[in-house]
Parts: sequence; structure tokens; C-alpha cells
Amino acid sequence: QKEVEQNSGPLSVPEGAIASLNCTYSDRGSQSFFWYRQYSGKSPELIMFIYSNGDKEDGRFTAQLNKASQYVSLLIRDSQPSDSATYLCAVRHTGTASKLTFGTGTRLQVTL
Amino acid sequence: ETGVTQTPRHLVMGMTNKKSLKCEQHLGHNAMYWYKQSAKKPLELMFVYSLEERVENNSVPSRFSPECPNSSHLFLHLHTLQPEDSALYLCASSQESRGRSGANVLTFGAGSRLTVL
Repeated sequence: QKEVEQNSGPLSVPEGAIASLNCTYSDRGSQSFFWYRQYSGKSPELIMFIYSNGDKEDGRFTAQLNKASQYVSLLIRDSQPSDSATYLCAVRHTGTASKLTFGTGTRLQVTL
Repeated sequence: ETGVTQTPRHLVMGMTNKKSLKCEQHLGHNAMYWYKQSAKKPLELMFVYSLEERVENNSVPSRFSPECPNSSHLFLHLHTLQPEDSALYLCASSQESRGRSGANVLTFGAGSRLTVL
């Protein structure tokens, strides 16, 4: 069973702080790693993806991947109330079809 | 608007009804998916149509039947559903390439909220 684990939260951070979201996965053959954001009542939207060890930055978001430890994280700098949402970690396994395995998501609350 | 359109957005049906969910993508993608999202559970992949092949999750009951007439349209036919099938059904599409690793990003539709009475 290929699993993706996330803490369901809620993770509460004050406005302006750094939010750190973590995800672990069980399949060592996983190739690509995705972070999706899902607002309540809406569909998931891609924030960023990463497939090489290390950090990848995009604006206020940084994805970090450590394949040896099988974890991927998402840092959100200068958190805003509009960042309050559920963040889904997804892992792509080998193969031609994009068979993503999703975690249950971490709910983030950014407080004023 | 993501480029993936799902209809209807909300559906209420009895256990003896037959209905269909429709998905259309305007992104020129070559792969389409059905996912099920239930409360407190991870997104569950139900079916994939990719590069002219169909892949399905063997745990999906036969009361769900997909149809993909072309690369832009995807249907999910529903019959004799159970109350536990009530969930958000998400359609997604992506551009797939044979033998290419890396990111093949999913674009989701807004979802169809299904309630089975």
C-alpha cells in the first residue's frame, strides 16, 4: 500500500509568520511530489511541484524534498489570512499515467 | 475557471436512479481522471484514461462506470448507488508523455457534489 501521511491539523499560525507543512511517503520509487491548496467547497489547485532533492522556491512558497528520509515539506513565508485552506500533498509513482496518491491534507488557519 | 468543466455541480439521487456526471476539458490534454473526495479521507483515484488506455482502481464498485468517448470528454455513469457513495466527485486532466518522468500536473474541475438518499 503506497501511503502519503499528513497531520490533519488544524495548524494555526499568526499573520506574517512562517507556516511549515509536512508530508511523509512510503514508496521509495516515487518520482514527483506536489502540493495542492484546497479552499473549503472548492477543488484543489496546484501550488508547486518538486522532483529533485533540495529546495524549490516560488514567491512566498518553498518546497523541500528529502528522498532519503522520504519527506516533503511546504513552507509559506509571511502567511496571510488568504492562505487559510487545506494543503494536500500528492506523490506520483513510476509509470506513464499520472497516478497520484494524495494525503488527507493539513488544514492551515492564519490568524489576525 | 480552470479549463475543466464539470456538470452538474450538485446532484441528489435515490438508490434506484441512474444518472451521469459529465466532464469536459478545454486544455488540449491527453489524460482524464475521476477522483472521489470524502470527508476525512484522501482523494481516491477511481479511473484514468491516459494515452488511449484505461486504468481503474480495483476497489471501485461496478455501480460506477466510466466512459471516455474522446480526449476532451469524460463521463461517470451511476446506477444503484448507496448512501456511502455520497461525496465530491472531481474530474481532472493532464498532459502525459510516454517514458517521461517528472511532473505531469493535474488540473481539476470544480467537482460534482453527489448526495445519495
